Amino acid sequence: GEEVAQTPKHLVRGEGQKAKLYCAPIKGHSYVFWYQQVLKNEFKFLISFQNENVFDETGMPKERFSAKCLPNSPCSLEIQATKLEDSAVYFCASSQRVFGEKLFFGSGTQLSVL
Amino acid sequence: EDKVVQSPLSLVVHEGDTVTLNCSYEVTNFRSLLWYKQEKKAPTFLFMLTSSGIEKKSGRLSSILDKKELFSILNITATQTGDSAIYLCAVRFYSGAGSYQLTFGKGTKLSVIP
Repeated sequence: GEEVAQTPKHLVRGEGQKAKLYCAPIKGHSYVFWYQQVLKNEFKFLISFQNENVFDETGMPKERFSAKCLPNSPCSLEIQATKLEDSAVYFCASSQRVFGEKLFFGSGTQLSVL
Repeated sequence: EDKVVQSPLSLVVHEGDTVTLNCSYEVTNFRSLLWYKQEKKAPTFLFMLTSSGIEKKSGRLSSILDKKELFSILNITATQTGDSAIYLCAVRFYSGAGSYQLTFGKGTKLSVIP
């Protein structure tokens, strides 16, 4: 498709529950990024992929966060045992060939942990 | 330590005013600087700058990069209420071992009042 599609738009979880977010990048884009934005503050980098391979995961809280980009499937970001501080908008973005050039963002998934 | 610093963090102006938003950065192996506009949801791409002194222009918006002093400015002339948004600056740099990073500043929240 011609836009980055993120689902769901909103997700509500109780503390300790699992949350799974999905992202379909623009067709033909090789790089996928996940960012976390808390209360309209700065974008915190989580992880990037080059096709199915993890490119950079330096931003991922490794204990509870995991992500995958498998062939012919949307990319996913999973949070095990959610905490209140995980409440944020999670943005996915993709770019074409050259890493980081002109990212196209999805509309985000608003995760609320109660 | 913040690698990308934007100022001011928020700004209120009247329609018709001209505004200048600032973005300074401190990274090694700089590759490019990008400006995004975030209204309700997904940030939308404005400019990508790689060379010093070359102004990029789109309508009432323009931007320039100074690689010696490590900053960029985004100018908006004759502001309109539709320019109200958060303006994000991001810097792409080589972080070693074949990896690139794209780091965002905290953004400048611009409010244009009639």
